[in-house]
Amino acid sequence: AQSVTQPDIHITVSEGASLELRCNYSYGATPYLFWYVQSPGQGLQLLLKYFSGDTLVQGIKGFEAEFKRSQSSFNLRKPSVHWSDAAEYFCAVGADNFNKFYFGSGTKLNVKP
Amino acid sequence: DGGITQSPKYLFRKEGQNVTLSCEQNLNHDAMYWYRQDPGQGLRLIYYSQIVNDFQKGDIAEGYSVSREKKESFPLTVTSAQKNPTAFYLCASSEMNTEAFFGQGTRLTVV
Repeated sequence: AQSVTQPDIHITVSEGASLELRCNYSYGATPYLFWYVQSPGQGLQLLLKYFSGDTLVQGIKGFEAEFKRSQSSFNLRKPSVHWSDAAEYFCAVGADNFNKFYFGSGTKLNVKP
Repeated sequence: DGGITQSPKYLFRKEGQNVTLSCEQNLNHDAMYWYRQDPGQGLRLIYYSQIVNDFQKGDIAEGYSVSREKKESFPLTVTSAQKNPTAFYLCASSEMNTEAFFGQGTRLTVV
């Protein structure tokens, strides 16, 4: 069965520090992977996606993610976090010819001044 | 502007009432989805539809119903059979083999 695991429920980083949010997936075929961001009380905004090709993908707001098939991971990174990055981040996998999207439980990011 | 519009933003339901959440998209997407979001549980799929007049149950469909009479509209009814309906509800749409686009959500509270 398809599943997505985000092992970190909460993460706190200082402004200007680097960030890595972890995501592991379970899917039998080639995964289509996504990272979304959600501000409180809002919908989800796509940060980046991986379908095929280069395993390091760039997204909006200075985020990037690396697909590692051997580790079934798709971790999100940012070299220098800004206070405006405080939000909840969701990893997702597209399955069954995109009939469905499966989401992780989310990681809440807090940024210290 | 193209996008997905959910209404209302806040909705209050009395015990035993049915309520309907609206979702409209002008992106010309074939597929539409309804997700429920509870703290610490991520997004769980309620129903999805790939084409007009067809929809499929997701992982937590009990107590919910949907219709897809028009391509741009996918309303969700929360029935009295849903025992714990208080949650944040998100509607999304997508083209085949692309990412999902989300509305701004409806927060439903039982009073």
